[in-house]
Amino acid sequence: QKEVEQNSGPLSVPEGAIASLNCTYSDRVSQSFFWYRQYSGKSPELIMSIYSNGDKEDGRFTAQLNKASQYVSLLIRDSQPSDSATYLCAVRSGSNYKLTFGKGTLLTVNP
Amino acid sequence: DAGVIQSPRHEVTEMGQEVTLRCKPISGHNSLFWYRQTMMRGLELLIYFNNNVPIDDSGMPEDRFSAKMPNASFSTLKIQPSEPRDSAVYFCASSFVQGAGDTQYFGPGTRLTVL
Repeated sequence: QKEVEQNSGPLSVPEGAIASLNCTYSDRVSQSFFWYRQYSGKSPELIMSIYSNGDKEDGRFTAQLNKASQYVSLLIRDSQPSDSATYLCAVRSGSNYKLTFGKGTLLTVNP
Repeated sequence: DAGVIQSPRHEVTEMGQEVTLRCKPISGHNSLFWYRQTMMRGLELLIYFNNNVPIDDSGMPEDRFSAKMPNASFSTLKIQPSEPRDSAVYFCASSFVQGAGDTQYFGPGTRLTVL
């Protein structure tokens, strides 16, 4: 069974710090990786996708992928209180369009 | 675009009643997904459709659950009879599937409470 594991947190960081969120996955043939942000009581929204090994940067967000280690991470630089949310890691394998989600990490950014 | 539309936003019902959740995907999208989210199990895919055809319903928990997509702009998820353990937030998401790069856009969800 394909699994996606995340530390449930909560992860607490001070405003302006770097928040590091981690995710591991079990299916070696996984090809597409996504980070979703979900505010309390709201629906998930995509913030980053990554398909190749290495880093991908978008503003304050950087996604890192290491397929050999089956590991994907999200770094949030200059964290803001508005970044406080649950971050969901999602993985897709092969041509199957299904996404398998981790249970999420709750991030709290303290002013 | 209005985004993915779901109705109702909240549903409270009694055990044994039939519940129907509705979803209107984003116009032009060719795939639709139904998810269920609980604290214990997280976000789970129930079923997904591509071009109105059910492709994978392996996540549907049991025969009490059924889903239809009669056309490209409408889908329903029905629970009959409902049970307290069905209480959860149900999300519908849609995407335009093209190769490996598609984004799933989620609706606001329906919070279902079965008493």
